[in-house]
Amino acid sequence: DQQVKQNSPSLSVQEGRISILNCDYTNSMFDYFLWYKKYPAEGPTFLISISSIKDKNEDGRFTVFLNKSAKHLSLHIVPSQPGDSAVYFCAASAGSGGSNYKLTFGKGTLLTVNP
Amino acid sequence: DTAVSQTPKYLVTQMGNDKSIKCEQNLGHDTMYWYKQDSKKFLKIMFSYNNKELIINETVPNRFSPKSPDKAHLNLHINSLELGDSAVYFCASSLTGWKQYFGPGTRLTVT
Repeated sequence: DQQVKQNSPSLSVQEGRISILNCDYTNSMFDYFLWYKKYPAEGPTFLISISSIKDKNEDGRFTVFLNKSAKHLSLHIVPSQPGDSAVYFCAASAGSGGSNYKLTFGKGTLLTVNP
Repeated sequence: DTAVSQTPKYLVTQMGNDKSIKCEQNLGHDTMYWYKQDSKKFLKIMFSYNNKELIINETVPNRFSPKSPDKAHLNLHINSLELGDSAVYFCASSLTGWKQYFGPGTRLTVT
């Protein structure tokens, strides 16, 4: 039962254009969402996050949008750069407080930015 | 000055063997995790420790046993290895909040 779904296994964009990566979730208890980036042979690295009380969070070239009614979030990268080529994982958590920070990950989307 | 390190990076072993993967973090974090990324690329949490106390224990075979000698270390012992254990295992740590820092991964191949 995939609670976090990234239906596009890959995405290819031109340098300078916008990259839009999508993520859907099914668990209505999820209230915190994160995006991680992963290069080959490395561990995932945190990129950006959003709480369910917000619908947008921006950090430089990266913006995450959250549509709670649709249980959908997206990551926008503008402008895309070749160094952004990586696998992007969407992750979600049902807030429980304390130290129980359990993340549920999607399968990832391979982004390729062509020069 | 690696933040989260894992050893070994690659591990090839035969079915039935017992092996360990070590993880260390120098970030001063209180919580550490083990994740498994299988052949279908799903990254799933296995265990989480906070201040050496087990707080998350997903449905993982008893052959897997985490051990945390101190806050900076979380090792993973696997007994009687099976073919299905072949995967990439990631260690991670966090202070408070949801942002987790991952190690480079250990690729385990069971033959």
